Amino acid sequence: DAGVTQTPRHEVAEKGQTIILKCEPVSGHNDLFWYRQTKIQGLELLSYFRSKSLMEDGGAFKDRFKAEMLNSSFSTLKIQPTEPKDSAVYLCASSLGGSAETLYFGSGTRLTVL
Amino acid sequence: QQKVQQSPESLTVSEGAMASLNCTFSDGTSNNFRWYRQHSAKGLEVLVSIFSDGEKEEGRFTAHLNRANLHVSLHIREPQPSDSAVYLCAVSPDSNYQLIWGSGTKLIIKP
Repeated sequence: DAGVTQTPRHEVAEKGQTIILKCEPVSGHNDLFWYRQTKIQGLELLSYFRSKSLMEDGGAFKDRFKAEMLNSSFSTLKIQPTEPKDSAVYLCASSLGGSAETLYFGSGTRLTVL
Repeated sequence: QQKVQQSPESLTVSEGAMASLNCTFSDGTSNNFRWYRQHSAKGLEVLVSIFSDGEKEEGRFTAHLNRANLHVSLHIREPQPSDSAVYLCAVSPDSNYQLIWGSGTKLIIKP
């Protein structure tokens, strides 16, 4: 069974660049989540899609972070422009749907912004 | 709003001894609790999901939920060095997709 696939595993960007992170959810899953993980803040929800519709756009992250779900099997997270404080691990997760369902996570993309 | 705290921050246990991790939450009306594990530079994997007071076992992992005491724990039986990881507690408010995460416990299993 293919789990959640994230690419790239590592990304290094200069301040001000645009970067795009990619995620392929588990086949058949309806919900897709993007999280940011840092040592200080822990896991923070960036975006949430249900059946490709954006349900949560991340509040404080709205201005430079944009997640899209082009089809049920592919999502992107664009950060534009990047800032050094964006250095973190970005995790994508999917589930069948509903609060009772388990989230399945990808291995993450480690972003370093210089 | 639901707040989730984990203790201890770090725990070292000898191989084969029971490892016990704690998670407290502020709102006892939630009924959806999960323990996840994260190995270094990897994603999170779910270990146990528990939805009612009492005990839930998944292999060597057992969760105990006591909503009256606002407490959920994870016990790992016969831990091995490969169980060394960060363990995260997650609570989902009823009928809400939003998971509230603890900050994690770093578990080290000494051979």
